[in-house]
Formats: sequence, C-alpha cells, structure tokens
Amino acid sequence: DTEVTQTPKHLVMGMTNKKSLKCEQHMGHRAMYWYKQKAKKPPELMFVYSYEKLSINESVPSRFSPECPNSSLLNLHLHALQPEDSALYLCASSHRRRTGENEQFFGPGTRLTVL
Amino acid sequence: AQRVTQPEKLLSVFKGAPVELKCNYSYSGSPELFWYVQYSRQRLQLLLRHISRESIKGFTADLNKGETSFHLKKPFAQEEDSAMYYCALSLSRGGSEKLVFGKGTKLTVNP
Repeated sequence: DTEVTQTPKHLVMGMTNKKSLKCEQHMGHRAMYWYKQKAKKPPELMFVYSYEKLSINESVPSRFSPECPNSSLLNLHLHALQPEDSALYLCASSHRRRTGENEQFFGPGTRLTVL
Repeated sequence: AQRVTQPEKLLSVFKGAPVELKCNYSYSGSPELFWYVQYSRQRLQLLLRHISRESIKGFTADLNKGETSFHLKKPFAQEEDSAMYYCALSLSRGGSEKLVFGKGTKLTVNP
C-alpha cells in the first residue's frame, strides 16, 4: 500500500459538534503531518508528529486536537469550530531519511464545512 | 525569514511551447527544495526534488544558489501539464521537517 488515505472525504458540522478526521498510511513512514488548505491557497502546516510524538504545533487553536495512536494512524479531533475553519484538511507522511529525500506523500484530503 | 516566492499566480502557454515556472527562495542555510503538482481533483504529489536532479514528465529544475532560484522548466508543454504547481522549501525544526510552500502558479496549456 503506497498511499495515504483519509476519511471522511467530506464533513459538514455545526459549531457545537465534535468530530474527528482520520488519516492512515502503511508505508512505514515515521513522520505524519496535518495541513489546512483554503481555496486557491497553498497548504499551511498545522502539526507534525515524529515517531508518534508531537514535534511541531504551528500555534494552532486548541479547538483542533491531534492524536497519533500508532505509527500508521493520525487523527484530528475537532470541537467548537468556527465557520472560518472550513477548508480542505490534508494529511501527509514521510520517511525520516537523508537530507533532501524527505518528500511528503499527501492524502486526498477531507473537505470540511462548518455551519 | 525563510520564504518561497512564486511571482506568477497564473501562466498560460500554447501546446508545444516552452514553459518556465519561477521560484525564488530565502533561506540562510543549505536549501532542500521540491516542486509539487496538484492536477484537477487529484491529490498533491511530488514532481521533483532538487537533490536528485532528475527529469520527470519532461520537467527539470536546477537549483541556482547564486540567484536563490529553483525554476521549473519544460521545453514542450502538453495539455495534460495544466495544473497548480507549488514550489516548497523543507526546513528542519526540532528534529522534524516542515514544508514552506510558495503561493503556487496555475499553469494552463492551451491546445
């Protein structure tokens, strides 16, 4: 399996809901990432997990809560989101290899709409 | 500050014409640069990385440290090259790597 998968594909939620996004990879990658991508903009990094430990948090509001239960899974728990959080949420993974070879493999994304 | 600049938001060429997508970076260390491509309704995928100096789908990109550039070139554009192209700089932070993306260039290849 050489892909990053994400579920669900689409999610609509109210501002008081609690939901989770899921990401999975079976490529043996030890780094996993969450990005947020608004329409016609580049992806913006939110979190990085390295060897199942949170290593980078780009000052993301606490209504987004990441979790890495094991080396293949990455979750993003959502609570009390705002309409401006509506975006495409991308998951990515990469090896921890030599300099210049750490390309990231991206999932198809979850299209989130907050009403 | 580390940043990536793609000066052209939109680029339109005719099939068979040469194409160059510009990328300039600002980074004090030794840069690790990538080109990613996003075709319509497909996931973001790696096109090229500077360290391998390879040609993928006819595209090449050379790192020019003097001009701090990593422009993407193809001698003869094809309609299937129409996509959004992002130049990205990999930064090490706390033992992890993060990608800083340029704003992207939307390439349209007309028949």
